[in-house]
Amino acid sequence: DAGVTQSPTHLIKTRGQQVTLRCSPKSGHDTVSWYQQALGQGPQFIFQYYEEEERQRGNFPDRFSGHQFPNYSSELNVNALLLGDSALYLCASSFIGRADPGDTQYFGPGTRLTVL
Amino acid sequence: AQSVTQLDSHVSVSEGTPVLLRCNYSSSYSPSLFWYVQHPNKGLQLLLKYTSAATLVKGINGFEAEFKKSETSFHLTKPSAHMSDAAEYFCVVSDPPQGNLIFGKGTKLSVKP
Repeated sequence: DAGVTQSPTHLIKTRGQQVTLRCSPKSGHDTVSWYQQALGQGPQFIFQYYEEEERQRGNFPDRFSGHQFPNYSSELNVNALLLGDSALYLCASSFIGRADPGDTQYFGPGTRLTVL
Repeated sequence: AQSVTQLDSHVSVSEGTPVLLRCNYSSSYSPSLFWYVQHPNKGLQLLLKYTSAATLVKGINGFEAEFKKSETSFHLTKPSAHMSDAAEYFCVVSDPPQGNLIFGKGTKLSVKP
């Protein structure tokens, strides 16, 4: 059973460019959440997708956008990159319809984005 | 609003001695609480979760955590540290259940031979 996968592993961009990160959820999961982890910090919630719609959003500007496809995979897009966008971007998947309470999210290995 | 506070940014123990990583939470709801571990240059791995079924939660690799509502705490313990336990540990609350996760700032655990 494949876990959460993310691509690419590493990415280097320059200020002002645009970037797309990709995530495939764990088999059987229907919900994808994205987090940004700056160096030395805990992950910060960006947004969550379910049924191809943005379900929740954290405190991130509109430069951050996403998409979920019918096969539940997801993309994170960041426009007009800033130096401060350099971080590890983590994708997590979960299943909304689980009977047990508590939203257990399973994380991928992340994409390390460096903005120069 | 939900939040978690990890009381120590760095904990250092000797191999074979007990581990205690402290976490306090704030929640308007009956919380779902988690501990995740992150090894260097790796993603996050779920250690254990609390969802009101039992106050003492056992996780992987010998870790356990006790939910204490009166103290709003969810401390992580392990009886005997192993070198492979050296990593960053995050205490996490779900906001609300089925929602996004709110992470503490993390506690770096060092294990000395």
